[in-house]
Amino acid sequence: AQSVAQPEDQVNVAEGNPLTVKCTYSVSGNPYLFWYVQYPNRGLQFLLKYITGDNLVKGSYGFEAEFNKSQTSFHLKKPSALVSDSALYFCAVRDSGNTPLVFGKGTRLSVIA
Amino acid sequence: NAGVTQTPKFQVLKTGQSMTLQCAQDMNHNSMYWYRQDPGMGLRLIYYSASEGTTDKGEVPNGYNVSRLNKREFSLRLESAAPSQTSVYFCASSTAGASTDTQYFGPGTRLTVL
Repeated sequence: AQSVAQPEDQVNVAEGNPLTVKCTYSVSGNPYLFWYVQYPNRGLQFLLKYITGDNLVKGSYGFEAEFNKSQTSFHLKKPSALVSDSALYFCAVRDSGNTPLVFGKGTRLSVIA
Repeated sequence: NAGVTQTPKFQVLKTGQSMTLQCAQDMNHNSMYWYRQDPGMGLRLIYYSASEGTTDKGEVPNGYNVSRLNKREFSLRLESAAPSQTSVYFCASSTAGASTDTQYFGPGTRLTVL
């Protein structure tokens, strides 16, 4: 069965500093990996996904994520954090067998001015 | 193009009452999903519909029923609400349900069961 771990419940970063939100996964076949962001009292918004190809995936709002097969990780990154990036971030994974998307428990990012 | 819409936005029920959460999408997607979000639990899949006319159970289906009314609409029914069903409910849709498809989410329904 596939699973996702987001080891940090909360990440704090100063505005202008780089940010990383961690995600590790477990699947039996090829992984398809997604990042979503949730702002307060809103639905989830798609940021980016890894399907195949280049290990560095670029997404919305300046975010990117690096797929690392050997470490089974898909960490979300941004070179320079903004206060407006403060939100709840979810990593999710599916395998190639059309099984349902499985979400991590979420990481709350707080960017401090 | 409204994307995925959900009604109502908020609802308070008493234990034992029933209600139906409505979801509609205007993106001509084939697949639709219902999730619940609880603090510290992430999102958990309740039911999904890979295509019009089909529905399948997800991780937490007990206490819920669904109806794929047509290609656009996918409703979630609570027949006899319980306090454990207090949660935020999200509907989502995707093109074809393939593993590589992106799911697009509605704004959510916040349900409280007293």
